[in-house]
Amino acid sequence: DVKVTQSSRYLVKRTGEKVFLECVQDMDHENMFWYRQDPGLGLRLIYFSYDVKMKEKGDIPEGYSVSREKKERFSLILESASTNQTSMYLCASNQARGGYTFGSGTRLTVV
Amino acid sequence: GEDVEQSLFLSVREGDSSVINCTYTDSSSTYLYWYKQEPGAGLQLLTYIFSNMDMKQDQRLTVLLNKKDKHLSLRIADTQTGDSAIYFCAERERASGGTSYGKLTFGQGTILTVHP
Repeated sequence: DVKVTQSSRYLVKRTGEKVFLECVQDMDHENMFWYRQDPGLGLRLIYFSYDVKMKEKGDIPEGYSVSREKKERFSLILESASTNQTSMYLCASNQARGGYTFGSGTRLTVV
Repeated sequence: GEDVEQSLFLSVREGDSSVINCTYTDSSSTYLYWYKQEPGAGLQLLTYIFSNMDMKQDQRLTVLLNKKDKHLSLRIADTQTGDSAIYFCAERERASGGTSYGKLTFGQGTILTVHP
């Protein structure tokens, strides 16, 4: 069964902490994506990557960075977490023109 | 940029049909998707339609696409309590410049509640 795995289901972090959200896919997909999901706003694209060491800004990249050192792993980094980054974070991957496969999500609370 | 709009709530009785509507702005969209999200879970692909099609049927699901009005709908026949979830419409932009990724733009999601 193909999978996108997000390392944590729930995280609680303090304001100002550096936070790493990890995502791993086992499908050898080229493209990986990070979205955040907020009620009434749907999913908004933060960053995506179409190859190892390549990254592109999405619609709301401010306050975030990403890392893709290996094809299967795509990390989202909050350099200095703030309360307005409390959200559900969803990772997805796809191959070329294929559909997206999503992880189960990480619910991050910043206190 | 691209924009996808959905109504936020829909409530139906078990056994009735549900129709979830979506409008989009990008006329160059290649594929349009419907995803389902159950509580505490990620998004699961339900069905999709290629932009040169008008209709697609898959068991209880019927997708209708009106390209002229940029309107997409998802009809669920014989709706069950297990269909209660958030439904997202998404459009895939046409890949350009030799890239293959074709980003998805999602609507806000429609919360479907099915009453016994």
